[in-house]
Amino acid sequence: DADVTQTPRNRITKTGKRIMLECSQTKGHDRMYWYRQDPGLGLRLIYYSFDVKDINKGEISDGYSVSRQAQAKFSLSLESAIPNQTALYFCATSDRTGTGGTEAFFGQGTRLTVV
Amino acid sequence: AQTVTQSQPEMSVQEAETVTLSCTYDTSESDYYLFWYKQPPSRQMILVIRQEAYKQQNATENRFSVNFQKAAKSFSLKISDSQLGDAAMYFCAYRVSSNTGKLIFGQGTTLQVKP
Repeated sequence: DADVTQTPRNRITKTGKRIMLECSQTKGHDRMYWYRQDPGLGLRLIYYSFDVKDINKGEISDGYSVSRQAQAKFSLSLESAIPNQTALYFCATSDRTGTGGTEAFFGQGTRLTVV
Repeated sequence: AQTVTQSQPEMSVQEAETVTLSCTYDTSESDYYLFWYKQPPSRQMILVIRQEAYKQQNATENRFSVNFQKAAKSFSLKISDSQLGDAAMYFCAYRVSSNTGKLIFGQGTTLQVKP
């Protein structure tokens, strides 16, 4: 089984619908992140969390919300999806210990299409 | 704010040849880490190589090596003896040596390997 699991892997939804993307990890890491990938823009940070009670906005948090249900689970919600939220979404984890060189572990991404 | 720039949207290389992917970054920090990630068609983000800014020696991992020029804020990736399996999108990323663990990504370079 993958260390970082994202569900669903692909999703098509309609404009205005609420959708939740889920992420779970077995790495035992404290830190979890949601990134969005768009062609020509690379990956950009949406939200990140250091523990269940510590959630922080990234550079592009507008239109998104998150929930850290447990150390191992971090969900991303689009309250009212719009077409420009069509993108590839990644969840990632990293360990708090060690230095800034600590490796980040990524899920396999969720391809979201808003029509 | 820190930024990462990959100015080559696409590159191609002949199998067994050498190719260099470029990356520049902007930061006022003195202590940070740089990474190259590979994203094959499977979408999985795979860490290729990392470099600590305080180390003058360039990092090497088998056929992958970097040319780190701190004063020029340049971090290029050299792939030697290119293989068909090297075909992927490559992302350069930066992380400041603080406790947030946030990664800042470049736009990505798609590498094609020709047989």
